[in-house]
Amino acid sequence: SQKIEQNSEALNIQEGKTATLTCNYTNYSPAYLQWYRQDPGRGPVFLLLIRENEKEKRKERLKVTFDTTLKQSLFHITASQPADSATYLCALRGDSWGKLQFGAGTQVVVTP
Amino acid sequence: NAGVTQTPKFQVLKTGQSMTLQCAQDMNHNSMYWYRQDPGMGLRLIYYSASEGTTDKGEVPNGYNVSRLNKREFSLRLESAAPSQTSVYFCASSERGATNEKLFFGSGTQLSVL
Repeated sequence: SQKIEQNSEALNIQEGKTATLTCNYTNYSPAYLQWYRQDPGRGPVFLLLIRENEKEKRKERLKVTFDTTLKQSLFHITASQPADSATYLCALRGDSWGKLQFGAGTQVVVTP
Repeated sequence: NAGVTQTPKFQVLKTGQSMTLQCAQDMNHNSMYWYRQDPGMGLRLIYYSASEGTTDKGEVPNGYNVSRLNKREFSLRLESAAPSQTSVYFCASSERGATNEKLFFGSGTQLSVL
């Protein structure tokens, strides 16, 4: 069956360091992969989309890589700040429209 | 600019009661979705509507019905609520297209079924 795995353990990191999150997937052949941020009591907010033919994508302090051979995406937050504290979700859609599926998310806690 | 608006924000039901969760978007998006989020399980797709007039089942449709009332509104109905439907429900919308397939989410409805 199709599965998206994210580290369920919270990532505690000191301000200014780089946080790296992992998204592994099985039995997908995704055309693209997305990352979302979710704050407590709020809906997820889209951050980045990376396509299968892109190795890396950047947006401000965020960097995403996508390795379709390893079936893995890495999400980096550089120079992390306490405001980056949130849960980060990865999401995949295969070829069929409308079926975007999400990982359970990894919580990031940035301490001053 | 409201985006995606869900009502109510909180609801407590007794087993067997029915209710409808409302969702409206003001971004002129074609596609709308209902997800539920449970601890440790991530978001699971209940139903979606690729365009006005069409609806399709997602991963966990049992116990739910939907109505795409018009392009703006997509409602989710629980006909006979069960404790297993205790969850946080999110509505989302997207503009279908090769470069615009990101989802915009509402702030969620926290539902408890006793």
